[in-house]
Amino acid sequence: DIQMTQSPSTLSASVGDRVTITCRASQSISFWLAWYQQKPGKAPKLLIYKASSLESGVPSRFSGSGSGTEFTLTISSLQPDDFATYYCQQYNSYSNTFGQGTKLETK
Amino acid sequence: EVQLVQSGAEVKKPGESLKISCKGSGYSFTNYWIGWVRQMPGKGLEWMGIIYPGDSDIRYSPSFQGHVTISADESINTAYLQWSSLKASDTAMYYCARHFVFSGSGYADNWGQGTLVTVSS
Repeated sequence: DIQMTQSPSTLSASVGDRVTITCRASQSISFWLAWYQQKPGKAPKLLIYKASSLESGVPSRFSGSGSGTEFTLTISSLQPDDFATYYCQQYNSYSNTFGQGTKLETK
Repeated sequence: EVQLVQSGAEVKKPGESLKISCKGSGYSFTNYWIGWVRQMPGKGLEWMGIIYPGDSDIRYSPSFQGHVTISADESINTAYLQWSSLKASDTAMYYCARHFVFSGSGYADNWGQGTLVTVSS
């Protein structure tokens, strides 16, 4: 299986901050990577697919970049609604895998 | 509007069988892959597998192959996840999700509300 490692595991930030979450794959996955946001007690929500494509309806402050083995999710100006847990997911292989998650909390 | 509506919470004993469901609406059910994701209490997301209702092609994660069965009934736009013999370690929230598959296993663009399965003696 391809392993996905996110960093950091926890990120403390304030409203208005620019934040970046990194996701590394154990082998090249080209650009077959998605990012999700999950709030407590809720289903995950798709933010980004194909590494940098913004899902319809997702605010433009969210952006994704990267290819191969290293990827980033950036929130350009953190809003109160953005405090949540974020997961990356590779779907290059027949069996896809999620990162362990990054909890974004209020500083 | 795409909607995935899952069956309700279940409480079962170890060794019992279980089948949970996920009904899709608002899109062509047979033309999209649909799959399942596990989330154990306080833990992250784990991809279990997907099925293409149009031809019943199924792809399992190696971690779940042989432990669960994924199926679908296209006549009623419903996907299923079933266990023949539950264990306490199956206690988790299970989400169904519609998948876009281009390479390998795809990403999930619409999710159900989740079904909580509790297995306890």
